Amino acid sequence: TAGITQAPTSQILAAGRSMTLRCTQDMRHNAMYWYRQDLGLGLRLIHYSNTAGTTGKGEVPDGYSVSRANTDDFPLTLASAVPSQTSVYFCASSDEFNANTGELFFGEGSRLTVL
Amino acid sequence: EDQVTQSPEALRLQEGESSSLNCSYTVSGLRGLFWYRQDPGKGPEFLFTLYSAGEEKEKERLKATLTKKESFLHITAPKPEDSATYLCAVQPSGYSTLTFGKGTMLLVSP
Repeated sequence: TAGITQAPTSQILAAGRSMTLRCTQDMRHNAMYWYRQDLGLGLRLIHYSNTAGTTGKGEVPDGYSVSRANTDDFPLTLASAVPSQTSVYFCASSDEFNANTGELFFGEGSRLTVL
Repeated sequence: EDQVTQSPEALRLQEGESSSLNCSYTVSGLRGLFWYRQDPGKGPEFLFTLYSAGEEKEKERLKATLTKKESFLHITAPKPEDSATYLCAVQPSGYSTLTFGKGTMLLVSP
């Protein structure tokens, strides 16, 4: 079973360039999330979507944008990358029932380096 | 502001040496507290949900407990395959999102 698929697995990006991290889930979950994970800072929520057509800001949304045109896809866009956005990005999803249990299903992550 | 603090940051155990990881939290109304396991280079994997003080959950060598201010993840007779980073997260009442702690990196040596 695929679950959550993230692409690319890793990427090196020049500062000032734009980049879209892709996230697709095949579980028909209504909620999706983007986290970044940095050494010493843990997992921090960037943006989330409780259902297709709606999005919300997390703890660290600046410099990032998201869209949720359908249930399965939740892309994260960096319009003009800066070195502080160097991180490992995780996409996650949960369904209406599991959102109450806190069971998020995570992808394998996208490692982004901004030079 | 919701806060989740995990301790220790890192823990090294010998195989069979039981211990506990701590997660203390400050939240305005707790909807649930969650434990995840993360292996190097992988995404976190869900372990447990705890909803109220006094609740306990078990899975193999792991047992999670909850009080009004903290949670413990007890590891009994650990094996090398238990080596991972363990993450604690809280979900405040009225919110659909989780706030994670920084994690405890556990290394179990044979």
